[in-house]
Amino acid sequence: AQSVTQLGSHVSVSEGALVLLRCNYSSSVPPYLFWYVQYPNQGLQLLLKYTSAATLVKGINGFEAEFKKSETSFHLTKPSAHMSDAAEYFCAVSPPYSSASKIIFGSGTRLSIRP
Amino acid sequence: SAVISQKPSRDICQRGTSLTIQCQVDSQVTMMFWYRQQPGQSLTLIATANQGSEATYESGFVIDKFPISRPNLTFSTLTVSNMSPEDSSIYLCSVERQEGEQYFGPGTRLTVT
Repeated sequence: AQSVTQLGSHVSVSEGALVLLRCNYSSSVPPYLFWYVQYPNQGLQLLLKYTSAATLVKGINGFEAEFKKSETSFHLTKPSAHMSDAAEYFCAVSPPYSSASKIIFGSGTRLSIRP
Repeated sequence: SAVISQKPSRDICQRGTSLTIQCQVDSQVTMMFWYRQQPGQSLTLIATANQGSEATYESGFVIDKFPISRPNLTFSTLTVSNMSPEDSSIYLCSVERQEGEQYFGPGTRLTVT
């Protein structure tokens, strides 16, 4: 069975500081991995995805994530936080070549940005 | 990507009543999905809706409580029946594109009093 764990339900950083949101997965096969962002009062938006191509994945809004098989991790980073990055972030995992019904979402990490 | 709209965007309902949520997609899709997001929680899949067939429900969700319609390839509805305060959640529909990517509607915020 697949699962995903997000370490830290709430992360607070200063504007301009590095953003690091942690995600570890469990999967018996190399999975597809996703990061989604949910801004207040909105639905989820796909930030980036890993589908067994390059291990360093670049997404929208300056975010990127690196797939590390040895660590079973897919941490999300951004070099310099903006106030507009304040949102809830969800890591998600699914087996490759499967339908979306197999996507498992993490519990989410709320990112706050301090002026 | 896909443009997905939901109606209503929010509602406050009394217990014992039912609410039907609509989801409209700007292009034809095979599968549509309905999720529940309880306050402060992550997303839980309720069911998968294919056009022309019965929806497939996940464990813990039943058709009598969450009937779903899928009359065509761009539209689906989810009804929350006989509501109780525990049904207060955000309900989201989504569609799948390539390689497992999902695109979500803006959600319907339901409060049951």
